[in-house]
Amino acid sequence: ILNVEQSPQSLHVQEGDSTNFTCSFPSSNFYALHWYRWETAKSPEALFVMTLNGDEKKKGRISATLNTKEGYSYLYIKGSQPEDSATYLCVLSGDKLIFGTGTRLQVFP
Amino acid sequence: DTGVSQNPRHKITKRGQNVTFRCDPISEHNRLYWYRQTLGQGPEFLTYFQNEAQLEKSRLLSDRFSAERPKGSFSTLEIQRTEQGDSAMYLCASSLVQGHNEQFFGPGTRLTVL
Repeated sequence: ILNVEQSPQSLHVQEGDSTNFTCSFPSSNFYALHWYRWETAKSPEALFVMTLNGDEKKKGRISATLNTKEGYSYLYIKGSQPEDSATYLCVLSGDKLIFGTGTRLQVFP
Repeated sequence: DTGVSQNPRHKITKRGQNVTFRCDPISEHNRLYWYRQTLGQGPEFLTYFQNEAQLEKSRLLSDRFSAERPKGSFSTLEIQRTEQGDSAMYLCASSLVQGHNEQFFGPGTRLTVL
């Protein structure tokens, strides 16, 4: 059974804290890994798509790394702001799509 | 408008009624996805299609939910015997199986079950 595991399930941090969460996946049949940010009452926003082992992507205060050999990706948020509060969803694209359960981030002012 | 469209945008129904939502994906996209987001909860993946084939269905989807994509273009999501817990935003997305498979999302259908 192929699973994409995201941890933690939820995270509460103070404004200004840096945080990171993990997406773990089976390393076989890997093609691409996507990170999406999903804010309440809005449509999901694509953050990154990564395909190569060692890929690092950055968008403002958010960055992500990929290790396809060991099967994980980290998403980092530097200096969290209340507007970063959202669910961060990891999706693995291989033979088929496999969806993570998401990490719910709440940033308190 | 060449984006993903969903109809209706809002639906209010009484408990026990059946409802059906429609999603029209971007025309050349062969994958179509359904998600649900309830108040106070994170988003949940429900199911997805590649062309007309339903490839995966979440275990969260009860037997009252059914989705179809009969001609590999638009899709419908039907909820039978609605319950108050079904109240949520139902989002549709589409993508191309080639390339990076980035999903493009529709505006959603907000369902309220009274």
